[in-house]
Amino acid sequence: GQNIDQPTEMTATEGAIVQINCTYQTSGFNGLFWYQQHAGEAPTFLSYNVLDGLEEKGRFSSFLSRSKGYSYLLLKELQMKDSASYLCAVRDYQAGANNLFFGTGTRLTVIP
Amino acid sequence: GAVVSQHPSRVICKSGTSVKIECRSLDFQATTMFWYRQFPKQSLMLMATSNEGSKATYEQGVEKDKFLINHASLTLSTLTVTSAHPEDSSFYICSARGQGALQPQHFGDGTRLSIL
Repeated sequence: GQNIDQPTEMTATEGAIVQINCTYQTSGFNGLFWYQQHAGEAPTFLSYNVLDGLEEKGRFSSFLSRSKGYSYLLLKELQMKDSASYLCAVRDYQAGANNLFFGTGTRLTVIP
Repeated sequence: GAVVSQHPSRVICKSGTSVKIECRSLDFQATTMFWYRQFPKQSLMLMATSNEGSKATYEQGVEKDKFLINHASLTLSTLTVTSAHPEDSSFYICSARGQGALQPQHFGDGTRLSIL
């Protein structure tokens, strides 16, 4: 099975940096994804890690350590529009068709 | 980029009604489609996975006779919620993936279903 854990809520200030952590346990790890989801909308893809290390993509970076079952999403220069839920998802090759399994999401609130 | 269209975006209907939700991949062939359900302030829960031309594989606890999934072509999958009741009210989201297990999943915009 899959066990994905991330904080429920976080608050950060506009212009600051915030790190959202995710830990996971899965039998057939085959990649970790971060998605952004605004209320009432579908998730949008942010980043993907399959090897250890840091992937940078503009204001967003994601880090993975497979040995520790740990990832984080780093958001820099926070903007008000970054207020959303951030979902950590793990792809599991032992679960059917390489299915994605999502954590409960971290609701980020950016304040002025 | 790959686009997945989901229709309708919102449905409000009476208890006992059956509701069909369509999911289309517009510019790629979706070998595999996924259906998720999301309750307020909760994460996406995978309901079922379907491959084109095959029967869907349902996750544990999901009633296959209540949530009928058809994936008859490489660009269309449908989810029918049969005899819907208020507890079926939720946000349903489809996702599509092209050929190859390592292809990315692309999400539709979701359908908000409200059963009165």
